[in-house]
Amino acid sequence: QGQLVQSGAEVKKPGASVKVSCKASGYTFTRNGISWVRQAPGQGLEWMGWISTYNGNTNYAQKLQGRVTMTTDTFTTTAYMELRSLRSDDTAVYYCAGGANWSPFDYWGQGTLVTVSS
Amino acid sequence: EIVMTQSPATLSVSPGERATLSCRASQSVSSNLAWYQQKPGQAPRLLIYGASTRATGIPARFSGSGSGTEFTLTISSLQSEDFAVYYCQQYNNWPRGTFGQGTKLEIK
Repeated sequence: QGQLVQSGAEVKKPGASVKVSCKASGYTFTRNGISWVRQAPGQGLEWMGWISTYNGNTNYAQKLQGRVTMTTDTFTTTAYMELRSLRSDDTAVYYCAGGANWSPFDYWGQGTLVTVSS
Repeated sequence: EIVMTQSPATLSVSPGERATLSCRASQSVSSNLAWYQQKPGQAPRLLIYGASTRATGIPARFSGSGSGTEFTLTISSLQSEDFAVYYCQQYNNWPRGTFGQGTKLEIK
């Protein structure tokens, strides 16, 4: 069973960027892709995008196109999510999640709180 | 984009009773539907995939049904630890996996 450990909480000013990391272990990193999901305070889950850990292909939610970049480092088995031009409504807990292709997410990171405030 | 709609938003049920949660897709997702449970301060946990298959370690009181656009999660006899928020997710459009807005299951 895969395990994902994320980086710690961040506080950013509007207009800044944030980069969240997600360290994978317990499975072959390049076999399953990594998705990112966020959850604003008191709200539901929002799928942000996916990256193939095999070849780096990405698929982003349309509303985040142009502001989000997902990358991976196969040597350190770590995935990254960078979000730019932060706004107050980007304040959320950001999760990385994984599972087999064409399957739901059967393992999740613990979440990273990103607070955007002036 | 496939839109997932859950109902009701909040469900009040007494311990020991049955809870039935609904999820509707804006277009057919076949059986590519998952259910997750989320407790405060925790990441979601996969309960059901393939619309009706329990994930590893999930108790038999959780069951899923449906296909196409209409899905149901049933918890047969509610335990105290089952009170949480439940989300459905379609993955028919993988890797794009849209979620419903959630149903909060609270103690009556």
